Amino acid sequence: QVQLVQSGAEVKKPGASVKVSCKASGYTFTSYYMHWVRQAPGQGLEWMGIINPSGGSTSYAQKFQGRVTMTRDTSTNTVYMELSSLRSEDTAVYYCARGWDTNHPFDYWGQGTPVTVSS
Amino acid sequence: EIVLTQSPGTLSLSPGERATLSCRASQSVSSSYLAWYQQKPGQAPRLLIYGASSRATGIPDRFSGSGSGTDFTLTISRLEPEDFAVYYCQQYGSSTYTFGQGTKLEIK
Repeated sequence: QVQLVQSGAEVKKPGASVKVSCKASGYTFTSYYMHWVRQAPGQGLEWMGIINPSGGSTSYAQKFQGRVTMTRDTSTNTVYMELSSLRSEDTAVYYCARGWDTNHPFDYWGQGTPVTVSS
Repeated sequence: EIVLTQSPGTLSLSPGERATLSCRASQSVSSSYLAWYQQKPGQAPRLLIYGASSRATGIPDRFSGSGSGTDFTLTISRLEPEDFAVYYCQQYGSSTYTFGQGTKLEIK
């Protein structure tokens, strides 16, 4: 069965970086795109960007350009999302979510990784 | 960027009643690339509807989607206790993927 298992909760200080992982199993890793979506406490869903695990190409939401980097490791079927220059407004749950193509909905989601930014 | 506006913000209904949730886009959503998700507290979102009207795998037939262009609707024909949650619409037809702000469906 398809599973996306994310790394554990993180606590970071303002200005630091965080790197969240998402390990995929139960399907051909390179056949599906992976998105990252975040949700601030009590708020809605915010799309951050997409990575193609096959070639590694990425596209980021304008809001995060210059601060986010998405990478993948095909040897371990894992994608990573690194967010730098953290500020308190980045406190959120970060999700990875799978999409079959760029014009497809997100059919499987990871369990979420809480990231807290606090001094 | 396509902005999605959901209404109402909160919907209070009783089990067995019919729920109608609305999602309006700031510009036409190409090829009906509109999805609906359900999210319960502490859980990741779950895909319910894609292509505006197609149910995702395993989704009960009491959930249905309709609409095109800029106006879309999610209907739950007879509410079950497990249906009380937050619902989000999403467009995935442009190079940026946007979500509505959500509708909270609560027990009356």
